[in-house]
Amino acid sequence: GAGVSQSPSNKVTEKGKDVELRCDPISGHTALYWYRQSLGQGLEFLIYFQGNSAPDKSGLPSDRFSAERTGGSVSTLTIQRTQQEDSAVYLCASSLVSLASGSYEQYFGPGTRLTVT
Amino acid sequence: DAKTTQPNSMESNEEEPVHLPCNHSTISGTDYIHWYRQLPSQGPEYVIHGLTSNVNNRMASLAIAEDRKSSTLILHRATLRDAAVYYCIEVADKIIFGKGTRLHILP
Repeated sequence: GAGVSQSPSNKVTEKGKDVELRCDPISGHTALYWYRQSLGQGLEFLIYFQGNSAPDKSGLPSDRFSAERTGGSVSTLTIQRTQQEDSAVYLCASSLVSLASGSYEQYFGPGTRLTVT
Repeated sequence: DAKTTQPNSMESNEEEPVHLPCNHSTISGTDYIHWYRQLPSQGPEYVIHGLTSNVNNRMASLAIAEDRKSSTLILHRATLRDAAVYYCIEVADKIIFGKGTRLHILP
């Protein structure tokens, strides 16, 4: 496909369970971002991958959250021991960083709606 | 934290121009100004970006103040489909979203 894809589109899990959310960025995009959006709220930055550099994890809310990006492409966001406050839409975005111009557009996936019961 | 400030909400009549303001008083000389919008139940989508000069594309125009401390997104003729939350963002090496402006279009 031409755009960013995410799976699953919806996930319902019980409190205390672990979940994995997947993001397939646009081919060739070197930058990948994860955000979450609680109901009626703005986007909260979680983590940022840029090429082979160490990821910027400054937005992860706790050590229950982790993410990896394999082979510079697919990324997985893992939430361990889920809590009800983790319920949100998790959005992934990718971009083709233009180092020369310093400007680039982000392309967002449709998101994964996570509900923790 | 987001470095930009925008009004929480605005209203406009259909088929009229809309001017969405944004203040970015701490912007550095190399940071771009980006605008995204989020339609209901969708992920954000890119609208436009610029550095110093005004910019136009098929979706909108971006007017950047000479001192770069503010900018205005201009929708030349609003339609009901333009009802969304509009985010103004300073872009350095990553994008940090603020709360944006919720734009209501009145038929």
